[in-house]
Amino acid sequence: AQTVTQSQPEMSVQEAETVTLSCTYDTSESDYYLFWYKQPPSRQMILVIRQEAYKQQNATENRFSVNFQKAAKSFSLKISDSQLGDAAMYFCAYIEANNDMRFGAGTRLTVKP
Amino acid sequence: AAGVIQSPRHLIKEKRETATLKCYPIPRHDTVYWYQQGPGQDPQFLISFYEKMQSDKGSIPDRFSAQQFSDYHSELNMSSLELGDSALYFCASSPRGLETQYFGPGTRLLVL
Repeated sequence: AQTVTQSQPEMSVQEAETVTLSCTYDTSESDYYLFWYKQPPSRQMILVIRQEAYKQQNATENRFSVNFQKAAKSFSLKISDSQLGDAAMYFCAYIEANNDMRFGAGTRLTVKP
Repeated sequence: AAGVIQSPRHLIKEKRETATLKCYPIPRHDTVYWYQQGPGQDPQFLISFYEKMQSDKGSIPDRFSAQQFSDYHSELNMSSLELGDSALYFCASSPRGLETQYFGPGTRLLVL
């Protein structure tokens, strides 16, 4: 079974600084998709960024970017110029075509003013 | 832009009662997913539907059932509720062939 591991239960960053959240996954498939979702205190699940495994180029969305290392099965999220509103639980997620999404245990990010 | 709608947003039930949660996907999304998120846990996949047919099944208890209707909305029916069913229930939708799932705001179920 595919598993997603987030080894950092909690992370902290100073406002305006950069932070990287780690994620590794286990799969025997070559075609899959990876996501980072953000869950603020409202508990809404908000899509942050998406990466297709067949794409070598790392996805970027404004201040959010990923470092996708397919051979190492690693998918880290970098948040640049951290803002107070970035404080949330961040979930790494994996999905194969037409299958259910598997989530990591989450990393709680605190942003210090 | 339209988002996934879930109702009710909050629900309080007694043990052994039944509950029905509703999900209205984003227009033109034909696939619906249900997840359960317990306190301090990551979301766990329950079940999914594509074109009104069940497409995948996860850790959904036998006491729960779900279906997708002709207008693509979905309902999760939960019977013989237990204290452990207290959780946040998410619905997500996606168009077929696109793996990105868009989540609704969730229904908070509290079983007393």
